Amino acid sequence: DAMVIQNPRYQVTQFGKPVTLSCSQTLNHNVMYWYQQKSSQAPKLLFHYYDKDFNNEADTPDNFQSRRPNTSFCFLDIRSPGLGDAAMYLCATSSPGSSTEAFFGQGTRLTVV
Amino acid sequence: AQRVTQPEKLLSVFKGAPVELKCNYSYSGSPELFWYVQYSRQRLQLLLRHISRESIKGFTADLNKGETSFHLKKPFAQEEDSAMYYCALSGHNQGGKLIFGQGTELSVKP
Repeated sequence: DAMVIQNPRYQVTQFGKPVTLSCSQTLNHNVMYWYQQKSSQAPKLLFHYYDKDFNNEADTPDNFQSRRPNTSFCFLDIRSPGLGDAAMYLCATSSPGSSTEAFFGQGTRLTVV
Repeated sequence: AQRVTQPEKLLSVFKGAPVELKCNYSYSGSPELFWYVQYSRQRLQLLLRHISRESIKGFTADLNKGETSFHLKKPFAQEEDSAMYYCALSGHNQGGKLIFGQGTELSVKP
């Protein structure tokens, strides 16, 4: 009954090699979010989509981009991963107006070598 | 500045002891406050939110606007409460756009 699914759970990429993380949802929620969580730190919002409208956080590096081809899927693209981008990446969804709860995926742990 | 502070990284108690996980916040406006929990090898999930004023798994949290706090409490801790707890806030009706605290790891010993 997984509602927010992230693939893969673990991703290893080379320094500078583009990588894409994926997220899908079965909740039909309008809003999808990407968070970055570095070791022993709080999850930090990178950006979110409200339907097709993309909203970038002011301090999100240009190296991070996102695509949402339809309601169910959202992708996080890291154009040139650096060692500092190694982290857990969390996808979440919510449906404004009906609930203030965010539903999270299990995350993708990214390692940069 | 908008911020959530959880002063304790680790809280260790014995089974049956009371638990209080502290959370203070800074926000211009009227935030919504949440506690999210992450059990071992599971996804982050909502535990409770201040607008519901409910008790979940024996936990309660009261929003104190004067002290800008939203501490999580449980009178008698259980071993299954061991988890990572995150306090978070959002703007009105922006439930997924969360500002998280750094989290407190609760360890309940038998």
